[in-house]
Amino acid sequence: EPEVTQTPSHQVTQMGQEVILRCVPISNHLYFYWYRQILGQKVEFLVSFYNNEISEKSEIFDDQFSVERPDGSNFTLKIRSTKLEDSAMYFCASSGERSHYEQYFGPGTRLTVT
Amino acid sequence: RKEVEQDPGPFNVPEGATVAFNCTYSNSASQSFFWYRQDCRKEPKLLMSVYSSGNEDGRFTAQLNRASQYISLLIRDSKLSDSATYLCVVTSVSGGSYIPTFGRGTSLIVHP
Repeated sequence: EPEVTQTPSHQVTQMGQEVILRCVPISNHLYFYWYRQILGQKVEFLVSFYNNEISEKSEIFDDQFSVERPDGSNFTLKIRSTKLEDSAMYFCASSGERSHYEQYFGPGTRLTVT
Repeated sequence: RKEVEQDPGPFNVPEGATVAFNCTYSNSASQSFFWYRQDCRKEPKLLMSVYSSGNEDGRFTAQLNRASQYISLLIRDSKLSDSATYLCVVTSVSGGSYIPTFGRGTSLIVHP
C-alpha cells in the first residue's frame, strides 16, 4: 500500500538554526500539506501546495517558513532561524484532491529546538 | 472564532461496549467532515469521511447534522485495538481557500 514517508524521524537543532524537513508524498497525489502538533495539543494546518505553488496557508505559516518541491518526488518544509516554540511534531500529508478530500499522513518528524 | 470542539474524555469502556463521540463546529460554511484516529505519538490516520446522509463502515457509523453543526461517530462492539484518540476534522472556506481544522481529539480507552 503506498504511503507518505518523512525524514528524519527526529531532528534536534539549536535555536536560530535552519532546518529542512523532508517528505515523499504518495506518488500519484497532487496536493501536499504540512501540519504541526505541539506535544499535548491539536494538529494545526500550516500550508497546502499544488502545482508548484502554495494554495493555502495558515496564520502560523509566516516568513520563517517556506516549502518547496525540488524534484518530482520530494516536498520540503524549511524553517529559518528556529525558535524554542517551533519544537513540535511536523506531519506531511498528501491527497489526490483538494484538502476537503481524504488526506494521508506521513509518520512525522519530531523537531526539538534547544 | 472558528473552532472545532470535542469532549476530550477519556472515555473508558469495556470490550464489546458501544461508544459515541460528538464534535461541534462553529463555521456554518464548513464543507467537508472527517474522523481520523491517532495513536499515541503517531500520525493521524483517516477513519472515515462523514456525509450528510450518514455512512457506516463495519462497526463504525458517522453522522452529520448540518442544522445543529455537529458530527458524531458511533463505535459498536469496541475492541481493545480501538483504544486511541479520535480526531474530528472540518474543512471550511476562508477567503476562497479550504482550510482543514482539527479538534483536540477524544481519547478512548477500551479495557478487557
